[in-house]
Amino acid sequence: QKEVEQNSGPLSVPEGAIASLNCTYSDRGSQSFFWYRQYSGKSPELIMSIYSNGDKEDGRFTAQLNKASQYVSLLIRDSQPSDSATYLCAVKGYSTLTFGKGTMLLVSP
Amino acid sequence: KAGVTQTPRYLIKTRGQQVTLSCSPISGHRSVSWYQQTPGQGLQFLFEYFSETQRNKGNFPGRFSGRQFSNSRSEMNVSTLELGDSALYLCASSLASFQEPNTEAFFGQGTRLTVV
Repeated sequence: QKEVEQNSGPLSVPEGAIASLNCTYSDRGSQSFFWYRQYSGKSPELIMSIYSNGDKEDGRFTAQLNKASQYVSLLIRDSQPSDSATYLCAVKGYSTLTFGKGTMLLVSP
Repeated sequence: KAGVTQTPRYLIKTRGQQVTLSCSPISGHRSVSWYQQTPGQGLQFLFEYFSETQRNKGNFPGRFSGRQFSNSRSEMNVSTLELGDSALYLCASSLASFQEPNTEAFFGQGTRLTVV
């Protein structure tokens, strides 16, 4: 069974700090990795995708991938209260997209 | 460019009834996948359709079925509803099938189904 594990949180950080969200996966054949943000009562929104080892930066967001360790992370710099949401890690294998249960992030003003 | 559209947004059904949910993907996208989201289980994959063919199916009972039309719109049907089917049902639209690498999936707003 392919699994994607995330700490459920909540992860609490003060405004302006760096939030670090982590994800591990079990399927070594996984090809693509995604981070979604989901506000309470809303649907998931794709915020980052990463396909090769290393870092990928997009504005305040940086995704990091280490396939050898089967580990994906998302860093949010200068966290804002509007970043408070659940962050879902998704891993794509050959024909499925498997989601972790998400980490709740709370950014306090 | 319009996003993924799901209808209806909310549904209340009685146990034993059946329900049909609809999903219109982003224009040009040919893959539609369906997920069930509950607080306890998170997002669970139901099935993926690409070019009117079911490409993959998750671990759900046969009461859950779907189809895709030639215009890529998809429907999901749940028969003989149970209380445990209460959930947020999400569809996601992709340009290519999940069998292609680096395929990004974009979600609709979801249908909130309540079974009483």
